[in-house]
Amino acid sequence: DIQMTQSPSSLSASVGDRVTITCQASQDINNYLNWYQQKPGKAPKLLIYDASTLETGVPSRFSGNGTGTDFTFTISSLQPEDIAAYYCQQYDNLPLTFGGGTKVEFK
Amino acid sequence: EVQLVESGGGLVQPGRSLRLSCTTSGFTFGDYGMNWVRQAPGKGLEWVGFIRRKAYGGTTEYAASVKGRFTISRDDSKSIAYLQMNSLKTEDAAVYYCTRDQGDGNNAKGDDYWGQGTLVTVSS
Repeated sequence: DIQMTQSPSSLSASVGDRVTITCQASQDINNYLNWYQQKPGKAPKLLIYDASTLETGVPSRFSGNGTGTDFTFTISSLQPEDIAAYYCQQYDNLPLTFGGGTKVEFK
Repeated sequence: EVQLVESGGGLVQPGRSLRLSCTTSGFTFGDYGMNWVRQAPGKGLEWVGFIRRKAYGGTTEYAASVKGRFTISRDDSKSIAYLQMNSLKTEDAAVYYCTRDQGDGNNAKGDDYWGQGTLVTVSS
């Protein structure tokens, strides 16, 4: 199975800050990576697929980058509604596997 | 509007069975593969399994943790996906999400639409 190592597990930031989350795959997954946002008590929402393609309707302050084994997810200017947990997921091979998640909180 | 609604969750004793349903609308169900994903309380996301569209045989794939105990099926005439869970263990307790796969119906690519989830509690 492909292991996805996501860091940090949590972070505190202020409104307007740039936030970056990393996700490392245990083997090359090309660009077969999704990023999800999950707000408390809600289902996850797909933000980015193919490592860097923004899902329709997702604000442009969200972005993704990377290929191979190393990936980043960035919020360019943190907004109050961005407080959530974020997960990466690889789909290069079954089983689909998720990173452990990053909880983004306000400082 | 794409909608997925899970039902069938509840409290069940270890070793017993439960069947979850995922009723969908707003898209051509038969054109898509479907996933089940679960989340234990306070924990991260875990993929449970995938069912291909009928054009690719409607075959299934499972996580090792549930293989042999869980079965995913689909009824394209009703636009419903099912998750039959047998021999339940306490570690199967979680919110179970039904998701639409964003791929071609043959190769799983992750989840572009999610249901609201249904809680399964496994306890004696």
